[in-house]
Amino acid sequence: GESVGLHLPTLSVQEGDNSIINCAYSNSASDYFIWYKQESGKGPQFIIDIRSNMDKRQGQRVTVLLNKTVKHLSLQIAATQPGDSAVYFCAERAQGGSEKLVFGKGTKLTVNP
Amino acid sequence: NAGVTQTPKFQVLKTGQSMTLQCAQDMNHEYMSWYRQDPGMGLRLIHYSVGAGITDQGEVPNGYNVSRSTTEDFPLRLLSAAPSQTSVYFCASSYRTAYNEQFFGPGTRLTVL
Repeated sequence: GESVGLHLPTLSVQEGDNSIINCAYSNSASDYFIWYKQESGKGPQFIIDIRSNMDKRQGQRVTVLLNKTVKHLSLQIAATQPGDSAVYFCAERAQGGSEKLVFGKGTKLTVNP
Repeated sequence: NAGVTQTPKFQVLKTGQSMTLQCAQDMNHEYMSWYRQDPGMGLRLIHYSVGAGITDQGEVPNGYNVSRSTTEDFPLRLLSAAPSQTSVYFCASSYRTAYNEQFFGPGTRLTVL
């Protein structure tokens, strides 16, 4: 079956450092991946997405890397700020052509001043 | 635009009671979905809809019903509440498909006693 998981449940970084949040997926047929940020007490917020025909995609201060060989996804946040403290979820589109998203369990990022 | 709105914010039910969680969006989005979020479990898809009159089951549909009579509204009905349905429920919408960025509502925290 499909599963999306994370290597680390928590990550603590210093303000200004770069953060890397990792995600492993098991379904080699998944063709679309997304990162969401969820602040305490709020709904998830879209950060960035990537399709399986790409290896890298950049946004504002964020980069997503996709390694299909080892089925690994990562989110890199440059110059991490206190406002980046949140839980980060990766999600994959379940099976090619499906309208379902499967979410991982999340990584809690804490940014220390 | 109000985006995605959910009511109520909090609800306490007794086992066996029924209720409807309301979700509305004013962005003319075709795709709407319901997720539940439990501690340590990430978000799990309950039901989704790709347009008015069309609904389909997600990962954990048992005990829940949905309908989509209009583009704007996507209510989630609990037929006979059980303690296992204690969770935070999020509604989300996107322009056309699960491929697009999903906008999440603020959530409904439901406790079933």
